[in-house]
Amino acid sequence: GAVVSQHPSWVICKSGTSVKIECRSLDFQATTMFWYRQFPKQSLMLMATSNEGSKATYEQGVEKDKFLINHASLTLSTLTVTSAHPEDSSFYICSAREGNTIYFGEGSWLTVV
Amino acid sequence: QQQVKQSPQSLIVQKGGISIINCAYENTAFDYFPWYQQFPGKGPALLIAIRPDVSEKKEGRFTISFNKSAKQFSLHIMDSQPGDSATYFCAASKGQGAQKLVFGQGTRLTINP
Repeated sequence: GAVVSQHPSWVICKSGTSVKIECRSLDFQATTMFWYRQFPKQSLMLMATSNEGSKATYEQGVEKDKFLINHASLTLSTLTVTSAHPEDSSFYICSAREGNTIYFGEGSWLTVV
Repeated sequence: QQQVKQSPQSLIVQKGGISIINCAYENTAFDYFPWYQQFPGKGPALLIAIRPDVSEKKEGRFTISFNKSAKQFSLHIMDSQPGDSATYFCAASKGQGAQKLVFGQGTRLTINP
């Protein structure tokens, strides 16, 4: 299957700082990528849909100004958590659509201290 | 109407047995039903997926059974192995191609040796 890569795999940042997570489709072009958040032992919660060349579509309750999404190319989407706080600590996972199938990245652990 | 309900929450099966996980949905517009396997600290990996025009799909030890009239679908893992121990998520989406996924709550499967 197609490969979706996330970087970094884990990151620790100080409260109040911003952190960027990258999502890349390695062997295919993805006009649409998705960003999820997952708390321990819980299901995946869709945060936003990232569209190449246009603004992201955020799910209800997700703060657009806090979770900045940029999809500047057909193989790269980035999620920037701005002014991070400890409650933003979570597992962030991206996915990308190739044809009729959605593939997930390995996820990025964010810990805000 | 956007929900996908998954059961059981956890499941313990003996090695060699059959693991069965069930999902139910309400939105009849859903037309793509994938199952994902997730190991701790990793992103979900696509196992198998089905569309409503077929009632069953088999890939190796994994089978999806789909009941359109009951709006239910299930995952069967034959000859379950300890390596199958993971969390399994069903999901659904609507529209042409794989649009944004609605996930079930997840099932933590443990295969005892």
